[in-house]
Amino acid sequence: KNQVEQSPQSLIILEGKNCTLQCNYTVSPFSNLRWYKQDTGRGPVSLTIMTFSENTKSNGRYTATLDADTKQSSLHITASQLSDSASYICVVSALYDYKLSFGAGTTVTVRA
Amino acid sequence: ETGVTQTPRHLVMGMTNKKSLKCEQHLGHNAMYWYKQSAKKPLELMFVYSLEERVENNSVPSRFSPECPNSSHLFLHLHTLQPEDSALYLCASSQERDQRGYYEQYFGPGTRLTVT
Repeated sequence: KNQVEQSPQSLIILEGKNCTLQCNYTVSPFSNLRWYKQDTGRGPVSLTIMTFSENTKSNGRYTATLDADTKQSSLHITASQLSDSASYICVVSALYDYKLSFGAGTTVTVRA
Repeated sequence: ETGVTQTPRHLVMGMTNKKSLKCEQHLGHNAMYWYKQSAKKPLELMFVYSLEERVENNSVPSRFSPECPNSSHLFLHLHTLQPEDSALYLCASSQERDQRGYYEQYFGPGTRLTVT
């Protein structure tokens, strides 16, 4: 069964600090991995997408890494801002399958 | 704005009511999806429509009834719901497949449903 596990479930950081979120998956055959940001009461919005051959992808202060051998990914947030407070969801898709495997998300709270 | 809109944004209904959720996509996509998002749980796929034909019904109770009159609109008709059906209901759309074989899904803002 395709599964996506995220850790931690939640974290609190001070404004300006960095943090790293983790994602482990068992989806096979692997196609791509996405990180989504979901603000409270809104739908998820894509931050990054990585295929098997990519091991890092950046979007502003967000940097995602992928290790397809160990089936792990991380999302690093640099110099956090209050607007980074949201849920971050790891989503993995199998090759040529429209069904996506979702993690439960990590809730990040940035405090001034 | 993602190009996918949902109405209403919030809905409170009793267990005997009948209501409908609406989704509209302005992206020219040909597949649409309904998801249920409960607190602290992964998104659950409910229904998928591709080219206006239902291709997935993920063991969803019959009190949820989808309708896809055309490739731009998707409805979720609700009747005799239970309190455990309270959740955020998300609509998404995508092309069936792009040249890389991806199914990039774009999500709407969701409808926050509360069943009393």
